[in-house]
Parts: sequence; structure tokens; C-alpha cells
Amino acid sequence: AQKITQTQPGMFVQEKEAVTLDCTYDTSDQSYGLFWYKQPSSGEMIFLIYQGSYDEQNATEGRYSLNFQKARKSANLVISASQLGDSAMYFCAMREGNAGGTSYGKLTFGQGTILTVHP
Amino acid sequence: NAGVTQTPKFRVLKTGQSMTLLCAQDMNHEYMYWYRQDPGMGLRLIHYSVGEGTTAKGEVPDGYNVSRLKKQNFLLGLESAAPSQTSVYFCASSSLGRYEQFFGPGTRLTVL
Repeated sequence: AQKITQTQPGMFVQEKEAVTLDCTYDTSDQSYGLFWYKQPSSGEMIFLIYQGSYDEQNATEGRYSLNFQKARKSANLVISASQLGDSAMYFCAMREGNAGGTSYGKLTFGQGTILTVHP
Repeated sequence: NAGVTQTPKFRVLKTGQSMTLLCAQDMNHEYMYWYRQDPGMGLRLIHYSVGEGTTAKGEVPDGYNVSRLKKQNFLLGLESAAPSQTSVYFCASSSLGRYEQFFGPGTRLTVL
């Protein structure tokens, strides 16, 4: 079974509007971390935001916020006030276990969602 | 700081040829990783290393070997390239106890 599922192959949003990219995950670990990365057409992987499983508040980084619903095992990325430069592939990823534990920081990635921002 | 660098950026191989991809990081990170990215499949872990002289298999290790003789370098080798190894290869590194992985720019490999 897939550990990270991104069900939206592609999403479209109008400039200046908000958009939510979905991510659900599967793990039996109590301690884990969830990540979102952005991959523009140039190909590099850009870290956006991180949520630890024990973090009580949803993570926020500027226009990015992570809507963490632990019971539903979902970690959706919300981008507010979309910009043309937000057009890219977005990956959700998970690290099982503690950051300093025997997972050694290994990440499992979803298949990605292509976001297109229209002017 | 250059961060994570990868050499080469592009390479075309013929089936059966061998090559080595080099990853270097200047952040003194303990952990290093090699991923491959195929269309529609996200990134998958090939091998990883938790310190100098140590390596371990990831999700898709077959056909690849790795070495980490120096802390700052992580080499990925293809002994006999196959068309199925056509992919974009990413190296990443992270620090012990920290959550963020830093990625290199990627190497686009085509095997004919």
C-alpha cells in the first residue's frame, strides 16, 4: 500500500486565490514528520514546510500552511494568495520515526501534484 | 556555502556502460541519500548513508552501488547501465536530529 497518496495529478488556481493540495499518509509509527517540497520546471527540489507528528499547531511558513489532521492522516498544503511563480510540481513526503532515530531521515514521497496558476 | 552539488548534470550512456555520479555537500551533514525520480512516481530512495564508511539499501537499490569514503562525498555507481535506469537522480543530505533534507540540482541520465 502506498504510504503517501496525492490524489490530485493536476490543480488549477487563479492568481491571488488560495489553493489546497491534498496529501494523505499511512504509518503505524507514533513519531513521524511530514514535508512539502516544490519542484519548479527548472527541476530543483525546494523545501517548503515541515510538520512533526507531535506538533500541536499547524505549521506555517509565509504563504504556506500545512493543514494537519492526525486522526484522518492528512497533511494538506494550503497556499494563500497564489502567484504565477507558484506554478510547479508539489510533493508531499513523510519520514517515519524520529529525526534522530533509526529512520535516519529517509523520506517517502507521493507522486506529486502539478499546480498551474492562471493570471 | 555551495550546499549540495552533483556531477555531472547530464549524461547519456549506452546499455552496458558504467558510470559514477558524484554528490558533494559542504554542510558537514551526517546523512546522505540518493533518490531517483521517474515520471508519475515521485522520488524513490536508492541508497543512503548515515556516516563516513557506511551505506545501506533503500527502496530500489538493484543495479546500483554506493560508497562514502569521505563524509562530504557520496558516490552512486552504475556498473552496467540499463534503459530502465533512465531517470533523474537526486542527491540529498541532512544533519543528525534535524528534519530538513537539502537536495542537489539533479542529474539527468539517459541510457540508450
